[in-house]
Amino acid sequence: AQTVTQSQPEMSVQEAETVTLSCTYDTSESDYYLFWYKQPPSRQMILVIRQEAYKQQNATENRFSVNFQKAAKSFSLKISDSQLGDAAMYFCAYINTDKLIFGTGTRLQVFP
Amino acid sequence: GAGVSQSPSNKVTEKGKDVELRCDPISGHTALYWYRQSLGQGLEFLIYFQGNSAPDKSGLPSDRFSAERTGGSVSTLTIQRTQQEDSAVYLCASSRDSFRETQYFGPGTRLLVL
Repeated sequence: AQTVTQSQPEMSVQEAETVTLSCTYDTSESDYYLFWYKQPPSRQMILVIRQEAYKQQNATENRFSVNFQKAAKSFSLKISDSQLGDAAMYFCAYINTDKLIFGTGTRLQVFP
Repeated sequence: GAGVSQSPSNKVTEKGKDVELRCDPISGHTALYWYRQSLGQGLEFLIYFQGNSAPDKSGLPSDRFSAERTGGSVSTLTIQRTQQEDSAVYLCASSRDSFRETQYFGPGTRLLVL
């Protein structure tokens, strides 16, 4: 069975600094997708970034980028130039065909 | 609408009562998913619908839970004879298709069973 592990329950960063959130996963599949979702206090899950496993190039979306290490089954999220609005729960998720499998989340605090 | 909508936003009910939670997916999205987010279990898949195919109910925790999707659009998740352990946030998501498509989430319904 596939599993997703986020080993950092909480992280903090100062505004304008860079922070990296860790995620590892376990699967026997070779083709899959990985996601990072952000969940602010409003509860709505917002897609941050998506990575296709067959692509070697790391995905980037503005200040958000990933370090995808397929052999190590690692998928970390780097947030550059952190902003107060980045404060939220961040969930790493895996999908093979249809259902998302989520990690337990990392709560990110951003300090001014 | 522009995004996935869910109603009600919050629901408080008494143990043993039935509740219905509603999800309105993004227009044109053929796949619709229900997930549950609770303190003890994290985010877990409940059920999903894809077009006119039979739903995948493999995540439903008990036969007190059921869901339907009418006309390929709006979905209702029903919990019968609610228990305190059903207290959670119920999230709905939709996607253009079900195969590895990005899922877009609604704001969820927070259910509290007293």
